[in-house]
Amino acid sequence: QVRLQESGPGLVKPSETLSLTCTVSGASVSSGSLYWKWIRQPPGKGLEWIGHIHFSESTDYHPSLKSRITISLDTSKNQFSLTLYSVTAADTAVYYCAGNGDYWGQGTLVTVSS
Amino acid sequence: EIVLTQSPGTLSLSPGERATLSCRASQSVSSSRLDWYQQRAGQSPRLLIYDASRRATGIPDRFSGSGSGTDFTLTISRLEPEDFAVYYCHHYAGSPETFGQGTKVEIK
Repeated sequence: QVRLQESGPGLVKPSETLSLTCTVSGASVSSGSLYWKWIRQPPGKGLEWIGHIHFSESTDYHPSLKSRITISLDTSKNQFSLTLYSVTAADTAVYYCAGNGDYWGQGTLVTVSS
Repeated sequence: EIVLTQSPGTLSLSPGERATLSCRASQSVSSSRLDWYQQRAGQSPRLLIYDASRRATGIPDRFSGSGSGTDFTLTISRLEPEDFAVYYCHHYAGSPETFGQGTKVEIK
């Protein structure tokens, strides 16, 4: 059974950096068949694709966030990570990690506030 | 960017009734790379349909997807109590991937 678990701080100050990690079990982040994704959902709103990474280290990011984000893989820990720089209140959301669309983490709420 | 527009915004139905949800794309979705998710309150999205019409593993056959090009449909043949939730369409035909704004299926 494939499981994904997000981890990271629940509160980040404006202008600082948000860092989240997704730990994968039951599948390898080196799998060629899976794209490892980050998706977010502001409170009470819809879903927004942030970006993804493939084991080949190819990445793709949402154009509106491209200048502020990095997604990376750590195959030794079977994890992938999201770094979002210079956050504002608009980045407050539940952040999900996912493998393709098949496997999702439970989500973690990140609030941007001073 | 492909914009996905879902209709209706809210669907009020009774258990046992048929639900028909629409997703219209602003431009053709190549290779029907469109999927549907169900999100129950407080839960992560769950994949129902991928490639427009293929049921994901473990999804009951009362859920079906159809369509191609710019018009896609999710049909729930007979609503069960656990089906009352929000449904999103999503395309993965290129970058950026986008989601529709969601259709809420509520109990009438």
